[in-house]
Amino acid sequence: RKEVEQDPGPFNVPEGATVAFNCTYSNSASQSFFWYRQDCRKEPKLLMSVYSSGNEDGRFTAQLNRASQYISLLIRDSKLSDSATYLCVVNEGTGRRALTFGSGTRLQVQP
Amino acid sequence: DGGITQSPKYLFRKEGQNVTLSCEQNLNHDAMYWYRQDPGQGLRLIYYSQIVNDFQKGDIAEGYSVSREKKESFPLTVTSAQKNPTAFYLCASRPPGGGYVEAFFGQGTRLTVV
Repeated sequence: RKEVEQDPGPFNVPEGATVAFNCTYSNSASQSFFWYRQDCRKEPKLLMSVYSSGNEDGRFTAQLNRASQYISLLIRDSKLSDSATYLCVVNEGTGRRALTFGSGTRLQVQP
Repeated sequence: DGGITQSPKYLFRKEGQNVTLSCEQNLNHDAMYWYRQDPGQGLRLIYYSQIVNDFQKGDIAEGYSVSREKKESFPLTVTSAQKNPTAFYLCASRPPGGGYVEAFFGQGTRLTVV
């Protein structure tokens, strides 16, 4: 079983749609969680951190469910510029302090 | 501007050659990382370093080597022992803060074996 699992998509949605991505992680000792965005052939960039109480940043909402080991990202009012791959990222909580990445979910917003 | 600089952006290697990818940061971060990304896949950890003169193997270290002689620099050598080196290589660093801080990435090096 992969440590961080995501639906690879692609998710093809029209502009203005609401879309949700899910992610599960296997290590119950994981400490912290992030969503990164990666454009084609570019480096990943932080979209938002995910907090236990859930958090919102404009059109983006992230939720964490530690009991189910599940993270979600909701994008409202999708824009063409939201087209990218969204990476679910988990900090393992081990001594190495390295981030473990999911394979990513590809989003294509269509006009 | 503070950031992470990787060079070169594109690199072509002949089979049997060693090549070194450069990673320099001026963010004053202690922790640095090397990841590999293959098409349609997530990032996989090659090596990491938490402090100068110390580094550890990640999940796919075979065929790679690193050094950390300076805080700012964490070069990665892809040796001839790496059987399938064609990939996108990403260097990252993290500030102190336990596990609760994000990683910052360089722009990556795209390595192709010819």
